[in-house]
Amino acid sequence: ILNVEQSPQSLHVQEGDSTNFTCSFPSSNFYALHWYRWETAKSPEALFVMTLNGDEKKKGRISATLNTKEGYSYLYIKGSQPEDSATYLCASRQCSGNTGKLIFGQGTTLQVKP
Amino acid sequence: DTGVSQDPRHKITKRGQNVTFRCDPISEHNRLYWYRQTLGQGPEFLTYFQNEAQLEKSRLLSDRFSAERPKGSFSTLEIQRTEQGDSAMYLCASSLYGRGGTNEKLFFGSGTQLSVL
Repeated sequence: ILNVEQSPQSLHVQEGDSTNFTCSFPSSNFYALHWYRWETAKSPEALFVMTLNGDEKKKGRISATLNTKEGYSYLYIKGSQPEDSATYLCASRQCSGNTGKLIFGQGTTLQVKP
Repeated sequence: DTGVSQDPRHKITKRGQNVTFRCDPISEHNRLYWYRQTLGQGPEFLTYFQNEAQLEKSRLLSDRFSAERPKGSFSTLEIQRTEQGDSAMYLCASSLYGRGGTNEKLFFGSGTQLSVL
């Protein structure tokens, strides 16, 4: 059974603060790590799909790193804005058996106060 | 391309009734996934299809749950004899999977919120 864990569960920051979240996942048979942003009343939206150990990806003020050997990924938001308020989900895909199943963590809910 | 659409958006039913949800994926996408999400939890995998073939179904699902994807286009998820514990958001997602498709990402619908009274 796969366990994808995210921390913290929730986070409240002031506008302009930089913040980061952690996602831990099983390092064995790693295939891919996904990050999604889920804003209230909208659908989850893909931020990054990462596959290589040491990979770093960036999208505007948001970036992510990946360590497949130790089984963790960090998501960073630089200079948080109120529009960054959302739940951030990470999900892991293993390569044992079929590779279709994407297992999600419980999410980190970010609230950015103006 | 209007994205992934799900119908209905909300469903209220009485315990013991059967319900069916529909998902229309992005037209060229060959994979379709169903997830269930309850408050404070991340999406929980239910099942997925590649074209019309159901490739995996969660062992957590009871036999009351069934999903189909005839002709590899839209999909339906049916829950028979609903229970209060089935109350959740049911999410559908689709993706384009190809050989060596390690960068496949999911596109989600808005979900169907089920309330079982």
